[in-house]
Amino acid sequence: QKEVEQNSGPLSVPEGAIASLNCTYSDRGSQSFFWYRQYSGKSPELIMFIYSNGDKEDGRFTAQLNKASQYVSLLIRDSQPSDSATYLCAVRGRDSGGGADGLTFGKGTHLIIQP
Amino acid sequence: SAVISQKPSRDICQRGTSLTIQCQVDSQVTMMFWYRQQPGQSLTLIATANQGSEATYESGFVIDKFPISRPNLTFSTLTVSNMSPEDSSIYLCSAAGTETGANVLTFGAGSRLTVL
Repeated sequence: QKEVEQNSGPLSVPEGAIASLNCTYSDRGSQSFFWYRQYSGKSPELIMFIYSNGDKEDGRFTAQLNKASQYVSLLIRDSQPSDSATYLCAVRGRDSGGGADGLTFGKGTHLIIQP
Repeated sequence: SAVISQKPSRDICQRGTSLTIQCQVDSQVTMMFWYRQQPGQSLTLIATANQGSEATYESGFVIDKFPISRPNLTFSTLTVSNMSPEDSSIYLCSAAGTETGANVLTFGAGSRLTVL
């Protein structure tokens, strides 16, 4: 059974600071890792994906992956009140050859950016 | 990325009835999936909707309860059969697009079901 673990929070961060969101996964064969943002009452929207060890930066967002530790994180620099949302970590296992598999999601971390 | 439309967006249903949710994608996609998000919870994969063949269900979900159709590469339906209050949830359709080599999922706005 694949598992994706996240601290549910809430994680409170002052505006302008760095928000750090963490995720661990159980399936060592996992290949791809995704961060989704979900505002209350809305559907998840993709922020970033990463599938190589190391860092990947996109604007204010940086995803970090450590496959040896089975750990993936998301850093949000210069946090804004509009970043307040639930952040979902999602993992995809080994490619089955037929295209994307359904993702396994963590329960999400509720992030609050304090003005 | 693909734009996904779902309907109904919400509905209130009586116990024992069935409801079919429709999902339309604005482009042909290889993979379509159905997720459930219960109140305060994360997303749980129900099944993969396969075009031209039976859906592939995850553990804990069965075809008799959640029949799925996918007649072509842009459309799928999920039926929630013989509903009970425990089926009250948001049901999300998703599709796999290809973005710079990674298959990422895009979600519809969801269908919020309340079963009385």
